[in-house]
Amino acid sequence: NAGVTQTPKFQVLKTGQSMTLQCAQDMNHNSMYWYRQDPGMGLRLIYYSASEGTTDKGEVPNGYNVSRLNKREFSLRLESAAPSQTSVYFCASMIGGFGYTEAFFGQGTRLTVV
Amino acid sequence: GENVEQHPSTLSVQEGDSAVIKCTYSDSASNYFPWYKQELGKRPQLIIDIRSNVGEKKDQRIAVTLNKTAKHFSLHITETQPEDSAVYFCAARSGNTGKLIFGQGTTLQVKP
Repeated sequence: NAGVTQTPKFQVLKTGQSMTLQCAQDMNHNSMYWYRQDPGMGLRLIYYSASEGTTDKGEVPNGYNVSRLNKREFSLRLESAAPSQTSVYFCASMIGGFGYTEAFFGQGTRLTVV
Repeated sequence: GENVEQHPSTLSVQEGDSAVIKCTYSDSASNYFPWYKQELGKRPQLIIDIRSNVGEKKDQRIAVTLNKTAKHFSLHITETQPEDSAVYFCAARSGNTGKLIFGQGTTLQVKP
C-alpha cells in the first residue's frame, strides 16, 4: 500500500521550460490537492480537486494548470517555468466527512527554476 | 477570503519545557482544525485535531484548545523532547468548500 506517490522527487528547470508533476494515490480518496511550500509562507494551496472530473483554484493558481486524469491521479503542470516557482511541491490525498478532513501527503518534489 | 495566521514562526525551548503555538482563522464557517508535524526532509503528518464543537483535546503530551468566539486555536506540547523538533502547521477546514487551509508554520527547536 503505497499511499500517495509523487514523481519526480527533484527537478531543475530552465526559465521558460515546461514540466508536469505527477501524483497518484491508492487509497480511493475523492479529494486531491496540490500545495507549494516556501520558507515562512507555509503550505499554500495551488489547486484542488474535490472529486473526479472537478478542479478548483486555490490561493496561488497563477502559472499552473492541473488535470484530474481519473480518481487516482492528479497532475500539476507548469507551462513556462519562472524562478518564482522554485519551491517544494506537495500533493495530498484527502479523506473526510462532515467536520473532518485528513490529508495524506506525498513525499514532495523539490523544484528549482534557474 | 479564507486565511490562517500562525505564530510564532520560530520557537526555541529547553528540553522539558512547554511550547505553545497559536493560530487564528478568518472563515467563521471553519469547522475542523488539524495540526501537522513535518520533520526535516519529510512529509507533513497529522498529529492531533479538534472539531468545532469541542473546546479542548489531549493526547499524551500534546493538547489543542479552540476558542470559536475569538476564532483562535492553539497547540500545547508539554515536557518537550528533542524529537519534538520539527515544523508544525495548523490548518482550518472551510465549512463551505471543505478546503484545508494551512498556516505559515512554526519551526520548533528543542535544545537538550
